[in-house]
Amino acid sequence: DADVTQTPRNRITKTGKRIMLECSQTKGHDRMYWYRQDPGLGLRLIYYSFDVKDINKGEISDGYSVSRQAQAKFSLSLESAIPNQTALYFCATSEPDRPQETQYFGPGTRLLVL
Amino acid sequence: GEDVEQSLFLSVREGDSSVINCTYTDSSSTYLYWYKQEPGAGLQLLTYIFSNMDMKQDQRLTVLLNKKDKHLSLRIADTQTGDSAIYFCAEAGGSYIPTFGRGTSLIVHP
Repeated sequence: DADVTQTPRNRITKTGKRIMLECSQTKGHDRMYWYRQDPGLGLRLIYYSFDVKDINKGEISDGYSVSRQAQAKFSLSLESAIPNQTALYFCATSEPDRPQETQYFGPGTRLLVL
Repeated sequence: GEDVEQSLFLSVREGDSSVINCTYTDSSSTYLYWYKQEPGAGLQLLTYIFSNMDMKQDQRLTVLLNKKDKHLSLRIADTQTGDSAIYFCAEAGGSYIPTFGRGTSLIVHP
């Protein structure tokens, strides 16, 4: 079974709709992240959480919100989706105190906002 | 802010060596990484190098770090079609939250 899972894998929605992307992990990591990937722009950090009570904005948090329901679950919400939020979204985890702080990525959610 | 730059495309012939280059601006970078993204998948760590090293070799992969010039490279020897993917350079400082480059698409042709 995959260590980091994301649901849904693909989603089409309309402008103005609220949607939620979910991420679950079985790695037991405290740190979780949400990124978006756009062609030619690489990965940009949306939000990150170092533990259940710690939520931080990343580089591009406007228009997004997150919820850390448990150590294993980190959800990303688009309050009112707009077309330029069409992108590939990745959840990732990492383990603190490891020397190299490797990030473990989920398979991604492809979102299309019409 | 921190910036990580890499070229967007590289095309090589099967069996040749591939060299993917990356430059970064953060002089406090502690770790530098190479991640690989295969089609339809998330990123996977390929290798990393600590900032006090100048070279790391792992089978077909060689990472070179020039800290003075803030230049990182990834060499893949005997490149195979299965190496076709997007390769991301990333750097992390004290917070260990990486800053990623835009990714280099490696195309391997027969």
